[in-house]
Amino acid sequence: AQKVTQTQTSISVVEKTTVTMDCVYETRDSSYFLFWYKQTASGEIVFLIRQDSYKKENATVGHYSLNFQKPKSSIGLIITATQIEDSAVYFCAMRGYSNYQLIWGSGTKLIIKP
Amino acid sequence: EAAVTQSPRNKVAVTGGKVTLSCNQTNNHNNMYWYRQDTGHGLRLIHYSYGAGSTEKGDIPDGYKASRPSQENFSLILELATPSQTSVYFCASGEGSGTNQDTQYFGPGTRLLVL
Repeated sequence: AQKVTQTQTSISVVEKTTVTMDCVYETRDSSYFLFWYKQTASGEIVFLIRQDSYKKENATVGHYSLNFQKPKSSIGLIITATQIEDSAVYFCAMRGYSNYQLIWGSGTKLIIKP
Repeated sequence: EAAVTQSPRNKVAVTGGKVTLSCNQTNNHNNMYWYRQDTGHGLRLIHYSYGAGSTEKGDIPDGYKASRPSQENFSLILELATPSQTSVYFCASGEGSGTNQDTQYFGPGTRLLVL
């Protein structure tokens, strides 16, 4: 069975610091795709960044980067130089190559304090 | 400007009534999806589509129908709405070839209340 687990329910950090959110996944597929999304207070769901399992380099987009540790089935999201507007709920999601279904984690609420 | 739009943004319906939720995308993506989001369940897939004229059942299709009349438009239809269908509904479009490789981009959501 495929599963995505986010154990951190809430994280609070001071503005302009770096934060890491954890995500571990389970799949039997040899190829799979990992995603991070952000849901804002207004409910909007925004795609942030993606890692394909066959790529060794960690993906980076703007001030978002990933820490992909394939042997540990782990895909952490790193946000550098955090801003107040980064406050949101962050979801990790995975799709196995053989499955249409996008499996979602339960989300981590990030609070950025001034 | 927003590439995936949904209408209406808010809807109040009566039990047994028909509800149609509409989604339009200007991404020119082949794949489109309908999800619902409820507290404690996260996002759950209702229906999806590979392209105009196609619809497929997702994980929780009971009580819902879908229609994809064109590349841009994907509708979710509740023929006989029930209070259990009160939820927030999200539409998404996906790039890439095949649903197993695409990245999904979401619309703003529709809040549906069935009384």
